Amino acid sequence: DVKVTQSSRYLVKRTGEKVFLECVQDMDHENMFWYRQDPGLGLRLIYFSYDVKMKEKGDIPEGYSVSREKKERFSLILESASTNQTSMYLCASSLNRDTEQFFGPGTRLTVL
Amino acid sequence: GQSLEQPSEVTAVEGAIVQINCTYQTSGFYGLSWYQQHDGGAPTFLSYNALDGLEETGRFSSFLSRSDSYGYLLLQELQMKDSASYFCAVRSGGYNKLIFGAGTRLAVHP
Repeated sequence: DVKVTQSSRYLVKRTGEKVFLECVQDMDHENMFWYRQDPGLGLRLIYFSYDVKMKEKGDIPEGYSVSREKKERFSLILESASTNQTSMYLCASSLNRDTEQFFGPGTRLTVL
Repeated sequence: GQSLEQPSEVTAVEGAIVQINCTYQTSGFYGLSWYQQHDGGAPTFLSYNALDGLEETGRFSSFLSRSDSYGYLLLQELQMKDSASYFCAVRSGGYNKLIFGAGTRLAVHP
């Protein structure tokens, strides 16, 4: 079974802090994705990566950056957390461009 | 702009059939996917339609009409465990980039 893990289920940070969310997949997938999920808005793509050290902006990249130094790991960075970044963050991976995405359990981030 | 429209809530009884519609307007289109998400859980893949027509997988079927920019998910013989949110998602470009709808919350009652 494909397994996508995220470093924390719940996280509480203060405004202005730098926040790192980690995601690891164990199936040698090419593509990895970061989404945020908010009630009534569905899942919105923040960034994705199609190869090591490669990244592309999604639909809502402002205030975020990403890092992919190894194939299995994709990190989401909030350079200076703000209260409007309080959300559920979901990581996903897919083998290639034509296959299903597998999601991690999510990290519920609260910024105070 | 790019948008996907699906009903916010649907209610049905056990054993019934329910159809969740999705209309989309996107700059590119490679296919339509459906994902299921139980409360507190991760989204899980249900189906993918790249071509027009009906795809059947057990109790679930998915339909696509590219000319109408429309698709639906059909759930038959509903069970309580089908109570969840269902998201349609369009693959709009390369690298498997998906645009998700806001989701439909399905409540199945005895």
